[in-house]
Amino acid sequence: KNEVEQSPQNLTAQEGEFITINCSYSVGISALHWLQQHPGGGIVSLFMLSSGKKKHGRLIATINIQEKHSSLHITASHPRDSAVYICAALAMDSNYQLIWGAGTKLIIKP
Amino acid sequence: KAGVTQTPRYLIKTRGQQVTLSCSPISGHRSVSWYQQTPGQGLQFLFEYFSETQRNKGNFPGRFSGRQFSNSRSEMNVSTLELGDSALYLCASSAKLTRTLGDEQYFGPGTRLTVT
Repeated sequence: KNEVEQSPQNLTAQEGEFITINCSYSVGISALHWLQQHPGGGIVSLFMLSSGKKKHGRLIATINIQEKHSSLHITASHPRDSAVYICAALAMDSNYQLIWGAGTKLIIKP
Repeated sequence: KAGVTQTPRYLIKTRGQQVTLSCSPISGHRSVSWYQQTPGQGLQFLFEYFSETQRNKGNFPGRFSGRQFSNSRSEMNVSTLELGDSALYLCASSAKLTRTLGDEQYFGPGTRLTVT
């Protein structure tokens, strides 16, 4: 079992829909990252959070430390949101190494 | 502030050769991490350097090595290239002011290596 699991693996939605991507982890963490990778490879950090909730524009990230679960939400989705979304956990037991989820490929259709 | 730069952006090598990739972090950042990404695979952690010391290492064979210079620039080297080493190699820098809390990672554009 992977230490960081994302779901779904693939997600296709219509423009305007509310999107939720989930990330569950089994290790003790001090922080969790959400990143976005566009076709072509460029990776952009979206959020780093250790508790509660963060919002940036149409993106919202939440984390529940007790349940070892984080979600990334996109409101009013747009085709330009199409990308791979990756969560990564900063694992305390692994010498504070980032452990990466496999990513969720999101396609938003116009 | 200039972003993370990686050189070269594209590289074609033949099996058995060796390759050196370079990463220049954001000014002031002392941590550089290297990742390999193959088609359909997630990011695989190679190693992390902080202030010229390798602090973490992933599960890669000894053919993969790296180093960091006093100006925080980092290089990774792959010797005796295999076809399976074809991948996008990404580096990321962070300030890592406090290691346990973590810092936002800033990624370079990557070097796409093709081994024939």
